[in-house]
Amino acid sequence: RKEVEQDPGPFNVPEGATVAFNCTYSNSASQSFFWYRQDCRKEPKLLMSVYSSGNEDGRFTAQLNRASQYISLLIRDSKLSDSATYLCVVPAKGGGSNYKLTFGKGTLLTVNP
Amino acid sequence: EAGVAQSPRYKIIEKRQSVAFWCNPISGHATLYWYQQILGQGPKLLIQFQNNGVVDDSQLPKDRFSAERLKGVDSTLKIQPAKLEDSAVYLCASSLVTFRGNSPLHFGNGTRLTVT
Repeated sequence: RKEVEQDPGPFNVPEGATVAFNCTYSNSASQSFFWYRQDCRKEPKLLMSVYSSGNEDGRFTAQLNRASQYISLLIRDSKLSDSATYLCVVPAKGGGSNYKLTFGKGTLLTVNP
Repeated sequence: EAGVAQSPRYKIIEKRQSVAFWCNPISGHATLYWYQQILGQGPKLLIQFQNNGVVDDSQLPKDRFSAERLKGVDSTLKIQPAKLEDSAVYLCASSLVTFRGNSPLHFGNGTRLTVT
């Protein structure tokens, strides 16, 4: 299994739809996870952190399944402005006590009017 | 708070030339990262600094890439000589000292490099 693997997409959904992306990871020791959002030709920006079983912020819900080693991002009532690439980020043990943050390839979401 | 500053925003060079990028992290952030993002892919870690020490450079092509963070604050990334496949966006990020990688990254705007 790759360190981080995401649904390849792209996802095209109508406004108001509910959409979910999955991300699997290989390092069972990973404790915390992140979802980043990246708009076209912009830098990634933190969307949500996931430290325990899940996290909810308005229309966005992130869930963590440690047994199956995946995290998911659910977007309810999609808006046009949600169109972006969503990046899954997983810490992996590096050298010594260091942890490095590894990004998935990203899932492109387009919300259509 | 001021964000991560990077320069230049854009750079076009010919293959075999050299180029340098600069990054100033958020004040107080001990950890600094350089990522390379090729079009259509997620960011790939090139090098990670903790203060002025390198903690991970396993994916840095050391025959042509070098990076330093001499005073534990700002950093430069250099490519010499550049190849066509180095065309990418180079993202600098910083974070607080992390325990088990649980501190999120804050990214700069990136430098878009085109090698012709």
